[in-house]
Amino acid sequence: EPEVTQTPSHQVTQMGQEVILRCVPISNHLYFYWYRQILGQKVEFLVSFYNNEISEKSEIFDDQFSVERPDGSNFTLKIRSTKLEDSAMYFCASAREQGTYEQYFGPGTRLTVT
Amino acid sequence: DAKTTQPTSMDCAEGRAANLPCNHSTISGNEYVYWYRQIHSQGPQYIIHGLKNNETNEMASLIITEDRKSSTLILPHATLRDTAVYYCIAFNDYKLSFGAGTTVTVRA
Repeated sequence: EPEVTQTPSHQVTQMGQEVILRCVPISNHLYFYWYRQILGQKVEFLVSFYNNEISEKSEIFDDQFSVERPDGSNFTLKIRSTKLEDSAMYFCASAREQGTYEQYFGPGTRLTVT
Repeated sequence: DAKTTQPTSMDCAEGRAANLPCNHSTISGNEYVYWYRQIHSQGPQYIIHGLKNNETNEMASLIITEDRKSSTLILPHATLRDTAVYYCIAFNDYKLSFGAGTTVTVRA
């Protein structure tokens, strides 16, 4: 069964450094998402992406964040200058279509900012 | 998206059916009821969704009341691997709004 994959599984970085989290969505999916979950808290929506542009973003997704689909398979989340409070699990998800179609989530990348 | 209310936690015996309730009294006519679960620290996993009719798939059944103000997710034969946080979400848009969910513990 096709699945969403994410790399790395765990990333440790120092405050102020840039990080890039990578995702490979399911191949015939057209909609891509990033969510995050701070330890012990709820899963929060960050951004949705379709047709090579951001379609929606939350207030969490400020100028420090960016997303890109550099080629036909990868979908990346970049945090320009990490803060301690960016420490969280970051989940990528993809969906065949938007609206009432299930989103499939990857296993997540645990980001630890020291 | 409409707010949903779920019990904080529940226990279930292995091999028995687990019935997970969800209230969504403000759900609008075009919002679907989605269920996801999250096994410890893993990515959320889609279970099932429905609009008005009851639905069944290989994982679970979803019973939606006629007035659509509440629903029940049924895991027919719970196993230890079903221990997870279960989220009920009213959704018709681009983002899934996860609440705190119900922590289900299946006991041997």
